[in-house]
Amino acid sequence: DAGVTQSPTHLIKTRGQQVTLRCSPISGHKSVSWYQQVLGQGPQFIFQYYEKEERGRGNFPDRFSARQFPNYSSELNVNALLLGDSALYLCASSSGLSNQPQHFGDGTRLSIL
Amino acid sequence: GESVGLHLPTLSVQEGDNSIINCAYSNSASDYFIWYKQESGKGPQFIIDIRSNMDKRQGQRVTVLLNKTVKHLSLQIAATQPGDSAVYFCAEGLGSWGKLQFGAGTQVVVTP
Repeated sequence: DAGVTQSPTHLIKTRGQQVTLRCSPISGHKSVSWYQQVLGQGPQFIFQYYEKEERGRGNFPDRFSARQFPNYSSELNVNALLLGDSALYLCASSSGLSNQPQHFGDGTRLSIL
Repeated sequence: GESVGLHLPTLSVQEGDNSIINCAYSNSASDYFIWYKQESGKGPQFIIDIRSNMDKRQGQRVTVLLNKTVKHLSLQIAATQPGDSAVYFCAEGLGSWGKLQFGAGTQVVVTP
């Protein structure tokens, strides 16, 4: 069975540009969460979506936005990129029910020059 | 790939020994806890989870212990193998909808 898939795997952008990252959840999962992982740290929560609705948002600026589509895939969009946005962006999917494990993809490595 | 474990606490374990990785969590209201393994260049891989109404749960070669009194979580790996070398994160579930808050991580290095 396919796990969580993310695209692209690597991306290089310059300051001020915009980027869109994509995620396909595990088949049957209705919830997608996005995390940012800076080198040497644990992942930090950005968003969670369930049934196309935003269910939670972490402490990130409004430059970060996301959406979930009817097929439960999701996109994370970041505007006006800053050097500090360089990180591994992880997508996790789950059933959406309480206390169920989230399963992660291998992430998109975003580098800002 | 890039090292996930840069500047993280390191646990060196000899192959075949048991490993114990410790984690302190922050929120006494957290009711769900997960351990993940992250290898270089990969996303976190689910190992085992435990709910707050339990204090111990066993999986294949792994055991998670939860002490709510002192807000402490541990992961025990039996007969550690070279393939167990990775960064291990604990995460606590905050809120009924499953937002995860991750700990800082521990780099496990298995030596022959």
